[in-house]
Amino acid sequence: GQQVMQIPQYQHVQEGEDFTTYCNSSTTLSNIQWYKQRPGGHPVFLIQLVKSGEVKKQKRLTFQFGEAKKNSSLHITATQTTDVGTYFCAGGSGGGSNYKLTFGKGTLLTVNP
Amino acid sequence: DTGVSQDPRHKITKRGQNVTFRCDPISEHNRLYWYRQTLGQGPEFLTYFQNEAQLEKSRLLSDRFSAERPKGSFSTLEIQRTEQGDSAMYLCASSLVWEYRGEETQYFGPGTRLLVL
Repeated sequence: GQQVMQIPQYQHVQEGEDFTTYCNSSTTLSNIQWYKQRPGGHPVFLIQLVKSGEVKKQKRLTFQFGEAKKNSSLHITATQTTDVGTYFCAGGSGGGSNYKLTFGKGTLLTVNP
Repeated sequence: DTGVSQDPRHKITKRGQNVTFRCDPISEHNRLYWYRQTLGQGPEFLTYFQNEAQLEKSRLLSDRFSAERPKGSFSTLEIQRTEQGDSAMYLCASSLVWEYRGEETQYFGPGTRLLVL
């Protein structure tokens, strides 16, 4: 079945440093989504990418979808303590009633003030 | 509050007991998902409904697990004869699926944390 892998599993940075997490799928995706889960919280939707090579920005966050629609990345510029949490990618595949999201295991980001 | 709600938020039970969790999705959403999440892991898909039809079940969902969505609105997840390995956070998510676009955003509830002693 489809697998979605994320690296790194953990990342600790000093406040102000940049952070990147990478997501790779074993199959071509129809879209990729990113979620953030704060400690003790539940996953919250951040963004969806659909087009090959798509790049989207949300303030200090930059999301990319690979040309082959099998990989994606999330880059945070100048991290802040409020960025702490686990970032999950989720790959969408299939169509119609077969459409499904498969989550990666996430990257836990901790930020030292 | 128009978000996804789950009840109870926490459940402690003894091994062998049955437990039932409830999820109320966002009202106009046609899809409802159940996930299980253990510490340090991403959400693991268990099953999902499109309206009242259960369309897919994961291999993770043993015969002890059953889910229903009788009227296409709220859903229940029952675990029979609980085992210690069932201890986890059980997350519910709902979405409105635009099938012709193949796009979907899932909105998660706060989860039910289960501890089996």
